[in-house]
Amino acid sequence: EAGVTQSPTHLIKTRGQQATLRCSPISGHTSVYWYQQALGLGLQFLLWYDEGEERNRGNFPPRFSGRQFPNYSSELNVNALELEDSALYLCASSLTGKTGNTIYFGEGSWLTVV
Amino acid sequence: AQRVTQPEKLLSVFKGAPVELKCNYSYSGSPELFWYVQYSRQRLQLLLRHISRESIKGFTADLNKGETSFHLKKPFAQEEDSAMYYCALITTGTYKYIFGTGTRLKVLA
Repeated sequence: EAGVTQSPTHLIKTRGQQATLRCSPISGHTSVYWYQQALGLGLQFLLWYDEGEERNRGNFPPRFSGRQFPNYSSELNVNALELEDSALYLCASSLTGKTGNTIYFGEGSWLTVV
Repeated sequence: AQRVTQPEKLLSVFKGAPVELKCNYSYSGSPELFWYVQYSRQRLQLLLRHISRESIKGFTADLNKGETSFHLKKPFAQEEDSAMYYCALITTGTYKYIFGTGTRLKVLA
């Protein structure tokens, strides 16, 4: 069974540009989560999508946005990139958004803003 | 505010020594807590969850509501336990996973 897959693996952008990261959840999973893992800051919750709807978002500015498609895959968009957006972006999926469901992580997408 | 605190960024122990990775949480509801592990060059994966009360790879963790803690313990550390460990809490209702900043465990030969 394929795990959570993310693309691209690495992305380099300049300040002010937009970045789009993609995530395919495990087959059958309807919930997708996005996390930012910046150096020394651990995992910061960005967004949670379930059944195509945004259910919750973390303390990030509106230039961080995303969506979930009918096939439950998801993309994360970061507009007006800033240097501090450089980080590993992790996507995770779970069977549903209910308590108790294990979340499974992808390998992440490295975003470097120069 | 909901928060998970892992006070140690790095913990070094010798092989065969006991290990305790600390995790404290702040949450007004009834918490559901997890430990995730990330071995070198591997993705983050679930190690154990408090509702299962299981022991995985010799690790156990007990939820102490009085001390709001969920420390991860292993009586005898192995070199292959060297990894990054994250404590996480899931909020009921909003189902948001909140992670701590992680503790890097180094088991020395």
